[in-house]
Amino acid sequence: RKEVEQDPGPFNVPEGATVAFNCTYSNSASQSFFWYRQDCRKEPKLLMSVYSSGNEDGRFTAQLNRASQYISLLIRDSKLSDSATYLCVAISAGAQKLVFGQGTRLTINP
Amino acid sequence: ETGVTQSPTHLIKTRGQQVTLRCSSQSGHNTVSWYQQALGQGPQFIFQYYREEENGRGNFPPRFSGLQFPNYSSELNVNALELDDSALYLCASSLPGPQDTQYFGPGTRLTVL
Repeated sequence: RKEVEQDPGPFNVPEGATVAFNCTYSNSASQSFFWYRQDCRKEPKLLMSVYSSGNEDGRFTAQLNRASQYISLLIRDSKLSDSATYLCVAISAGAQKLVFGQGTRLTINP
Repeated sequence: ETGVTQSPTHLIKTRGQQVTLRCSSQSGHNTVSWYQQALGQGPQFIFQYYREEENGRGNFPPRFSGLQFPNYSSELNVNALELDDSALYLCASSLPGPQDTQYFGPGTRLTVL
């Protein structure tokens, strides 16, 4: 079983729609969580951190449920420029490595 | 831009050959991590270097090795290349301490024929 699992998609949604991605993690020692965005053939870039209380950054909302070991990302009013692969990431306290999920591919259609 | 640079951007090798990939970290960052990203997968941690010493390693065979230099730049060496080594190799630099914040370079795309 992979340490961080995501639905690979692809998700194809119309512009303006709301889309949600889910992610589960198996390592209960995981302490910090992130969503990264990766455009085709580019490096991953940090989109936002995920906090236990939930957090919002413009059209993006991230949620963490430690009891269920579950992370989500909600994108409202999606734009064409949101088309990318979204990577769920976990890191354990004191660990050196970021643990990435497989990534969920999103295409926003005009 | 993160200030992390990698070279070369693309590389084609044949099975059995050896390859060296290079990374220059962001100014002031003395920790460098390397990741392998196969097509359709998320990045997988190879190893990390801190102050010229290996500081953690993922599930990769010994033919994957690295170096870090006094200026904190780093190399990833892969011997006896296999077809499955074809991937995007990403370097990330960071400060010591919690590794929550790592800055990724643009990657080197390696194709093994």
